[in-house]
Amino acid sequence: EAQVTQNPRYLITVTGKKLTVTCSQNMNHEYMSWYRQDPGLGLRQIYYSMNVEVTDKGDVPEGYKVSRKEKRNFPLILESPSPNQTSLYFCASSLSIGEQFFGPGTRLTVL
Amino acid sequence: EDQVTQSPEALRLQEGESSSLNCSYTVSGLRGLFWYRQDPGKGPEFLFTLYSAGEEKEKERLKATLTKKESFLHITAPKPEDSATYLCAVQGGGFKTIFGAGTRLFVKA
Repeated sequence: EAQVTQNPRYLITVTGKKLTVTCSQNMNHEYMSWYRQDPGLGLRQIYYSMNVEVTDKGDVPEGYKVSRKEKRNFPLILESPSPNQTSLYFCASSLSIGEQFFGPGTRLTVL
Repeated sequence: EDQVTQSPEALRLQEGESSSLNCSYTVSGLRGLFWYRQDPGKGPEFLFTLYSAGEEKEKERLKATLTKKESFLHITAPKPEDSATYLCAVQGGGFKTIFGAGTRLFVKA
């Protein structure tokens, strides 16, 4: 089954404790992306990647890091999380320009 | 600066009452405009891609249209199961994706 998987689905952590949210897709897609979704603000793009070793900033990259060492994986790293990064995070992938397939989301709470 | 604005923020319809959702956009070099549906607690689900002004796409009770400045999602004779948040997004020359804040649709039986 074609899918985008994210782990963990739920995470509660404390300020400053480094964390990684994993994202994997099995569709051989070149384009992968991370978004955060906050009430009233919609989906905002954090980082995107056009292919392996190629990443670029979206609209809200501050406080986040990404890497794309393999085509299927695109982890999101928060090296020193803060409460304002409490949000619902989505990973997505697509062939190139076109429909994006979204993962189920990761709900992160930073205390 | 690339921007997407959706209206209205929320829309309440009776079953069978047709209406339209609006998506106004500003983007440098439009590569594509996308409509997604999102149910509570889930990731967005793709509906349509439109690439150039004048293009139209249809799927069941939904029809998407595109002009040089805006897109409309027309809902004909909606049913309660059409209740969801509808998201509009654009991709411009830089491959960034910009989403609007969405329109929450409620359809009452």
